[in-house]
Parts: sequence; C-alpha cells; structure tokens
Amino acid sequence: DTEVTQTPKHLVMGMTNKKSLKCEQHMGHRAMYWYKQKAKKPPELMFVYSYEKLSINESVPSRFSPECPNSSLLNLHLHALQPEDSALYLCASSQSGGARTDTQYFGPGTRLTVL
Amino acid sequence: QKEVEQNSGPLSVPEGAIASLNCTYSDRGSQSFFWYRQYSGKSPELIMFIYSNGDKEDGRFTAQLNKASQYVSLLIRDSQPSDSATYLCAVNPPGANSKLTFGKGITLSVRP
Repeated sequence: DTEVTQTPKHLVMGMTNKKSLKCEQHMGHRAMYWYKQKAKKPPELMFVYSYEKLSINESVPSRFSPECPNSSLLNLHLHALQPEDSALYLCASSQSGGARTDTQYFGPGTRLTVL
Repeated sequence: QKEVEQNSGPLSVPEGAIASLNCTYSDRGSQSFFWYRQYSGKSPELIMFIYSNGDKEDGRFTAQLNKASQYVSLLIRDSQPSDSATYLCAVNPPGANSKLTFGKGITLSVRP
C-alpha cells in the first residue's frame, strides 16, 4: 500500500485567516515532504522532514510553517497568505530521504484558494 | 544549475500507437530517475523508476536509461485514451539527498 492521505481536499481562506493542511502516511516512511504546484508547472519543493527533523527549507516565506508531530503526520500551518499562494499543495513521503533507491509517493493534494 | 529537460509538447498519438517521452539531465552523476503521470487536477502518480543503464519494463511501460548520453525515456506501448495526461520526468542528483529535480512535463494526448 503506497497511500498518503491529505485533508482537506479543498480550502478557501482569506488573507487574515489561519488554517492548517494535514498529511498522513502509514507506510513506515521516515521522510515527508511539502510541495507547491501552480497550474501547468512541475511541483516545487518547500520543506523536507527526515526522521521527524526539518532537513530542507527551500527559503519558503514564514507565513508557511511546517510541523511534524510524529513519523506518520505532517502539518503545514498557514497564516496571512497572499492570493499568489493559491495552488495545489502536495504532500509526499519516502522510505528514508537519502538512499539512491528512495522513491517519493504523493498524496492527492489540497487545492488552496486565497481570497 | 541542475536541469532536467523534456521535449516541448504537447504530444499526440493515435490509440494503439507507441508514445515516446524523452528527458535529458545535466548532472552527470545523477543516479535515480523517475517518471510520474499527472492527470489534470490530480496529484503526480509514480509510473516507473530506473537506476541502471538499459531498459526496465512494467506492463505497457518501458523506461530506458542511458547515463553516457544523460538521457532517460518512457515508452508507452498500445497507447490508450486513459494514458492522456502530463508526464513528469524527475531526477535525484548526487548529494541532493531528498531533493528531486523535475522537468516541466509533457502533455500526452491519445486520440481514439
């Protein structure tokens, strides 16, 4: 089973709201990722957690705040977003985050609209 | 700048034909190569991965890797309308640990 789940599927928020995106996997993977994808573009890496520690932050604005409460869960806290942050937010997981054979599996995504 | 280039699309093939999707990469030391399929409005789905030179077959899909030419391709035999999607090539360069470099993707349309 290579399932990564994400909630909610869709989210509409105002620029002053605070919301959170959630991601869960039960494959025993130890690396989890957040990506942002705009229409007709490839996914763009935001954050990587490896063994529950933040290992990569791709210079993402502080209005995006990741959290990894345990090895199965990954959250992305959103605050004071801008309309240009509207996108598909993808969570992915992989076995370890470093081996040559490491393969990333994506969740279904959260479609975020910022008004 | 590590780059992954995919043919400019879109690519249109008739049903039953072979679709050939190509990808080149700039970092000679790259070791892991992935093809993802993405339907409109959906998330990327892993189709194939390949690490060694040569061909790797899985059903109607064949991934081909030529490290000397820095070239990876995906062949889809007996193309079906359900194969119509965007195909993303992704490469894991050496030393990049968890980071994948994605190509821009190519949109395939299979005509019934």
